[in-house]
Amino acid sequence: SQQGEEDPQALSIQEGENATMNCSYKTSINNLQWYRQNSGRGLVHLILIRSNEREKHSGRLRVTLDTSKKSSSLLITASRAADTASYFCATDATQAGTALIFGKGTTLSVSS
Amino acid sequence: ETGVTQSPTHLIKTRGQQVTLRCSSQSGHNTVSWYQQALGQGPQFIFQYYREEENGRGNFPPRFSGLQFPNYSSELNVNALELDDSALYLCASSPTPGQGGLDEQYFGPGTRLTVT
Repeated sequence: SQQGEEDPQALSIQEGENATMNCSYKTSINNLQWYRQNSGRGLVHLILIRSNEREKHSGRLRVTLDTSKKSSSLLITASRAADTASYFCATDATQAGTALIFGKGTTLSVSS
Repeated sequence: ETGVTQSPTHLIKTRGQQVTLRCSSQSGHNTVSWYQQALGQGPQFIFQYYREEENGRGNFPPRFSGLQFPNYSSELNVNALELDDSALYLCASSPTPGQGGLDEQYFGPGTRLTVT
């Protein structure tokens, strides 16, 4: 079963606009991570936020985490065509040991 | 790109056959995890190997098995292939097994398996 659920499933924006993706999960976690996947290839790690953190920035990425609501958001500012990809949140539930649990992902399309 | 490599890139097998997929982890990483990603879905955890021992397993039947070698490379073996085994198989390496919190996982490009 999948722990996380991303919302929306698909998002289409113009270059220069901001893109926001949300993730909800079900159980207590240690860390939450966001990954990007281009065209069914390998996943690329974007950012990790620990359960005791509320916000983290990396370049054009901003991630927030609300453990009381079991939710996270990923904001990509000033989107570029190269940001077109699928984005997944992944959690390591405290009871799940060594597994990353992924959601179904958000497909982002950025047009120029 | 990460330093994780997988082979082969693509594979076509017939139902009932057996398949072996290979993964070379990033230098310095002693932990390898395998994931199955069906079309349109997120990856699902199969199992993790740490220092040549299985160190956690997802909800996959015993016909999915693995090995990790002294150089920390790994194999995923699937017996008695079924049509539903068609998927992208991803391996990921990390410097630690992640008890108490998983850190960044370094994914390979994947092996696309088609079962006909």
